[in-house]
Amino acid sequence: GQQLNQSPQSMFIQEGEDVSMNCTSSSIFNTWLWYKQDPGEGPVLLIALYKAGELTSNGRLTAQFGITRKDSFLNISASIPSDVGIYFCAGPASGSARQLTFGSGTQLTVLP
Amino acid sequence: DSGVTQTPKHLITATGQRVTLRCSPRSGDLSVYWYQQSLDQGLQFLIQYYNGEERAKGNILERFSAQQFPDLHSELNLSSLELGDSALYFCASSPGVAGAEQFFGPGTRLTVL
Repeated sequence: GQQLNQSPQSMFIQEGEDVSMNCTSSSIFNTWLWYKQDPGEGPVLLIALYKAGELTSNGRLTAQFGITRKDSFLNISASIPSDVGIYFCAGPASGSARQLTFGSGTQLTVLP
Repeated sequence: DSGVTQTPKHLITATGQRVTLRCSPRSGDLSVYWYQQSLDQGLQFLIQYYNGEERAKGNILERFSAQQFPDLHSELNLSSLELGDSALYFCASSPGVAGAEQFFGPGTRLTVL
């Protein structure tokens, strides 16, 4: 089945720094999604990408849909303490159903 | 708040028992998805229902079953529970059968002792 490789697995950064994480796949995705999950909570949708090469922002977050359709990037600028959490990339299966395949997540820690 | 509700928030039970997890999708959403999140397996898709009908199955064990009712709420039934079934179970919803954007509920944490 489809697999998503997400890196890095964890990041420790200083408050105010920029962050970059990425997700790659061996197969093509037509949609890329980025979620954030806080401890004990459900994933929250941050950004959805629908077109190869697309660059979309949501506040301090910017995500890009790779031209090859096999990768995506998420950048967070000027990190703040509430950015702490696990960030997941996800992509829907092809066909009529749309169950999501998730990456393994990037654990972000923001140090004061 | 995503608009997806799940009950209960926490569930503690013993091996061999059966439990039912409940989910109400966002208003207007017809698709409901169930996912399991464990430390070693990450977020794994279990099953999807659309307007009362099963649409897709993932890595769902035969001991697990689900259904979606006419009012669109869904229940996930887990039976003959094993220690390894301890996990977070999430429900997500989307408007259509093929909508990629899914909105997740707060989850049910199941602990099997």
